[in-house]
Amino acid sequence: AQKITQTQPGMFVQEKEAVTLDCTYDTSDPSYGLFWYKQPSSGEMIFLIYQGSYDQQNATEGRYSLNFQKARKSANLVISASQLGDSAMYFCAMRASGAGSYQLTFGKGTKLSVIP
Amino acid sequence: GAGVSQSPSNKVTEKGKDVELRCDPISGHTALYWYRQSLGQGLEFLIYFQGNSAPDKSGLPSDRFSAERTGGSVSTLTIQRTQQEDSAVYLCASSLIWQGNYGYTFGSGTRLTVV
Repeated sequence: AQKITQTQPGMFVQEKEAVTLDCTYDTSDPSYGLFWYKQPSSGEMIFLIYQGSYDQQNATEGRYSLNFQKARKSANLVISASQLGDSAMYFCAMRASGAGSYQLTFGKGTKLSVIP
Repeated sequence: GAGVSQSPSNKVTEKGKDVELRCDPISGHTALYWYRQSLGQGLEFLIYFQGNSAPDKSGLPSDRFSAERTGGSVSTLTIQRTQQEDSAVYLCASSLIWQGNYGYTFGSGTRLTVV
């Protein structure tokens, strides 16, 4: 079974500053994928970034980067140069490879508020 | 369509009534998923459809919940004899193949309130 832990229920960041959202995971599967989603107040889940367990380099997508530390089982999301539009809930999720591994297991999320 | 469409966006129902929630996935996406998001919680997997294979219903919380997918496209999630604990946002997602690296495309959800 997989488990995702997000220990920060809420975070504040000053506009234009960088912020790190924490995510730790637990799985016995050797191959897995880690995802971050953004959920604004509209409710839609927006895919941000993906990291495969065998990827050698940390994933980056524009202002988003994933700080992947496999030995520590952590996959923190770093948002650089925060913008007011980044205020939202952020969810870390994992999918393990193998039979029946189509499910995404989600953490409880972190509410990010960007302060002007 | 351009995205995953869910209807209704909001539903208020009386305890004990049946409700149907609809999901229209992205055209051509063979995989469809239903998740439930309760207040302050992450997403909880409910059910998964892949092509013509039998659906995986392992996440359905009780036999009051059922879902079907007609013609490999539109899906309907039905909750019978609704209870107050069923109040949540129900999210639908679809993907082209289940092993995609980009996760799934989600709809905006249906907010269900049972009074």
